[in-house]
Amino acid sequence: GAVVSQHPSRVICKSGTSVKIECRSLDFQATTMFWYRQFPKKSLMLMATSNEGSKATYEQGVEKDKFLINHASLTLSTLTVTSAHPEDSSFYICSADGGPGDNEQFFGPGTRLTVL
Amino acid sequence: TQLLEQSPQFLSIQEGENLTVYCNSSSVFSSLQWYRQEPGEGPVLLVTVVTGGEVKKLKRLTFQFGDARKDSSLHITAAQPGDTGLYLCAGEMDSSYKLIFGSGTRLLVRP
Repeated sequence: GAVVSQHPSRVICKSGTSVKIECRSLDFQATTMFWYRQFPKKSLMLMATSNEGSKATYEQGVEKDKFLINHASLTLSTLTVTSAHPEDSSFYICSADGGPGDNEQFFGPGTRLTVL
Repeated sequence: TQLLEQSPQFLSIQEGENLTVYCNSSSVFSSLQWYRQEPGEGPVLLVTVVTGGEVKKLKRLTFQFGDARKDSSLHITAAQPGDTGLYLCAGEMDSSYKLIFGSGTRLLVRP
């Protein structure tokens, strides 16, 4: 089956530093990947849509200079939280679409970011 | 404002009881999906419904898509402690592959 991995699974960083989170589709190619943010006991909020070889499309209210997304290949998208602050602490989840004719998204296991 | 509202937000029931979770919206969706999420993990797809009025069954879980494709329900029969988790509905608008998640329903099944 389609598997999506995220790395790291957990990261703790100091305020002001930048953190990169990787999302990989392990056994399929994903033209489109999505990045979500989830606060404790809350639902997933779509942050941006990442398309291979082009600029990401950000949802309203999400700062593109704060959350840098790069989708350099059909199996890898990265989210970089720049100059992280404690309010950026959250659970970040990526998903990858199954390709043409497949409307299923395959979700990664998530990355827990804690900014001290 | 949440585009997809789920109710109830939290449900605590005894093992063996039945329950229904609702997912409502004023918007029309090309498809609607239900997920279950465990703490610290990504959501896992349970079902996708596409056609208005569609009913799908997955063992003790029954999913229904409203005729107008604006709402959906998840019914669990004879709940078990293993059903405990966060249930999320998610709608896809205009075949864009972009999912809008519901507000979530946290289910606790007590042994």
